[in-house]
Amino acid sequence: KAGVTQTPRYLIKTRGQQVTLSCSPISGHRSVSWYQQTPGQGLQFLFEYFSETQRNKGNFPGRFSGRQFSNSRSEMNVSTLELGDSALYLCASSLSETQYFGPGTRLLVL
Amino acid sequence: GDSVTQMEGPVTLSEEAFLTINCTYTATGYPSLFWYVQYPGEGLQLLLKATKADDKGSNKGFEATYRKETTSFHLEKGSVQVSDSAVYFCAMPMNRDDKIIFGKGTRLHILP
Repeated sequence: KAGVTQTPRYLIKTRGQQVTLSCSPISGHRSVSWYQQTPGQGLQFLFEYFSETQRNKGNFPGRFSGRQFSNSRSEMNVSTLELGDSALYLCASSLSETQYFGPGTRLLVL
Repeated sequence: GDSVTQMEGPVTLSEEAFLTINCTYTATGYPSLFWYVQYPGEGLQLLLKATKADDKGSNKGFEATYRKETTSFHLEKGSVQVSDSAVYFCAMPMNRDDKIIFGKGTRLHILP
């Protein structure tokens, strides 16, 4: 089975712009979670989608949003980018309680 | 509330040394417990897991035993290699809806 894929792998944006990141889960996995990883804050949970519904949400501002499509692919969007949004964004899919991670999208905000 | 606490890093060892990375948890009931590893420039990979008390997870020479009495799941390896240099995360599911709680991660450096 193909693993979790994320696109793009690298992205450079400027402050105030918006960005959309994509995640394709492992075939058959209906749950997709998103995490932000930074050197200072570590791994922080953003949100989780299951069958196109947001099931869990972390403590991030409303500028961070996401959605899931009927084929379980997920996107996350960050609007009005800030310098502090520079991070590695990780997506993980799961069938039960074990999560399988993609390689991440590294976002740099200038 | 539910939480996972793991030892602060970085941990620096010489090749062939014995490794222990401590992890303790607070939870209602007896959740599954996981160790994930993140190699430089990559996402997280599941290293091993244990689903019930006294279970031992093992993979790539790493082991961890689910200790209900001490609410711990310490990661051990008898002889580390330079290629084990990575960040290690202890984790557990928060409840039945697949949300996972991760520890802060422990960076491991192995010197040749």
